[in-house]
Amino acid sequence: AQSVTQLGSHVSVSEGALVLLRCNYSSSVPPYLFWYVQYPNQGLQLLLKYTSAATLVKGINGFEAEFKKSETSFHLTKPSAHMSDAAEYFCAVSITEAAGNKLTFGGGTRVLVKP
Amino acid sequence: EPEVTQTPSHQVTQMGQEVILRCVPISNHLYFYWYRQILGQKVEFLVSFYNNEISEKSEIFDDQFSVERPDGSNFTLKIRSTKLEDSAMYFCASKGIGPETQYFGPGTRLLVL
Repeated sequence: AQSVTQLGSHVSVSEGALVLLRCNYSSSVPPYLFWYVQYPNQGLQLLLKYTSAATLVKGINGFEAEFKKSETSFHLTKPSAHMSDAAEYFCAVSITEAAGNKLTFGGGTRVLVKP
Repeated sequence: EPEVTQTPSHQVTQMGQEVILRCVPISNHLYFYWYRQILGQKVEFLVSFYNNEISEKSEIFDDQFSVERPDGSNFTLKIRSTKLEDSAMYFCASKGIGPETQYFGPGTRLLVL
């Protein structure tokens, strides 16, 4: 069974500051890893994904994440926060060998950006 | 750009009533999913559907739930007799073959009174 832990349910950053959202996963087989963003009253939008290619993955809106197998982590970063980054961010894992590839989500991290 | 659509966006129902949530997945996708998100909680997997049958379901997806792809384009989630604890945002998602991204719809917010 797979699981995801996101450290910090809320993160507050100043505009222009580094955004760092932590995600650790547990999986008995090689995982696929995803970051989704949810803006208020909207659905889930994919930011980026790791599917066993490059370990440093670049996504939309200036976000990137690095897969570190030794640390079972897939932390999300953005060098400079923008007000529009205020949203909830979800890390998710799926199992590579399962055809259906259901997603297991972490608890989410809500990001507040201060001017 | 193709997208997943869901109707209705909001539904209010009385406890014990049946509800059907509708989804139109992306047209060339083969895998379909329902997830739910109770207010303030994490997104939870309910069921996956492939080749006209359920491929996996969670313990949440009990006999009160069913899914159907009635006409080759729609994908529905039925809750036969709603409970208060079924109040949540329900997301539909679809995916092509392989490790591709699951694309999510905007959700249906269900409120059971």
